[in-house]
Amino acid sequence: RKEVEQDPGPFNVPEGATVAFNCTYSNSASQSFFWYRQDCRKEPKLLMSVYSSGNEDGRFTAQLNRASQYISLLIRDSKLSDSATYLCVVNSRADGGSQGNLIFGKGTKLSVKP
Amino acid sequence: EPEVTQTPSHQVTQMGQEVILRCVPISNHLYFYWYRQILGQKVEFLVSFYNNEISEKSEIFDDQFSVERPDGSNFTLKIRSTKLEDSAMYFCASRDRGVYNGYTFGSGTRLTVV
Repeated sequence: RKEVEQDPGPFNVPEGATVAFNCTYSNSASQSFFWYRQDCRKEPKLLMSVYSSGNEDGRFTAQLNRASQYISLLIRDSKLSDSATYLCVVNSRADGGSQGNLIFGKGTKLSVKP
Repeated sequence: EPEVTQTPSHQVTQMGQEVILRCVPISNHLYFYWYRQILGQKVEFLVSFYNNEISEKSEIFDDQFSVERPDGSNFTLKIRSTKLEDSAMYFCASRDRGVYNGYTFGSGTRLTVV
């Protein structure tokens, strides 16, 4: 069964803390990976794509380990505005072709406190 | 920034009634999707649409569901005879070519079946 598993959370952290989210996926042939954030009762919004070599965008760093089928997201110097649910998302298309659909994890809720 | 637009934002309907949820994807995108999220649960794939036909659908997308792209800009999801368990947030999404591109989601339609 194709699934994406995430830390159950919630994570409650003070401002300025570093937070790490972990995710595993079951379809070893998946080829594209993403982190989305979702605010309460809002749509998922793309935070960043995750590339094989790892990638960074400001305070956010994403890593991919294909051998372990593991994806991570690190948030440094967390802000109050980072409070949201973080969704690990994997494209289900095994051959990486132009079609496919996203499989979502259940998400990990983050609350950043002053 | 280009947006995916969904209407209505909230729809209340009686069990057994038909509903049509409407979406206007981003104009140069080629792939269109419907997802749903039952309150407190993960985002679930319903159907994908490309080149004027369904390319993939999930087990949720049974004979009660249908999709159309009637005029080259709108993308609709119809539920023929709503059930209580159809109550959920329905998200439309679209993307451009390239499996590494994330999807852009609309702000959703909250469907309440009473």
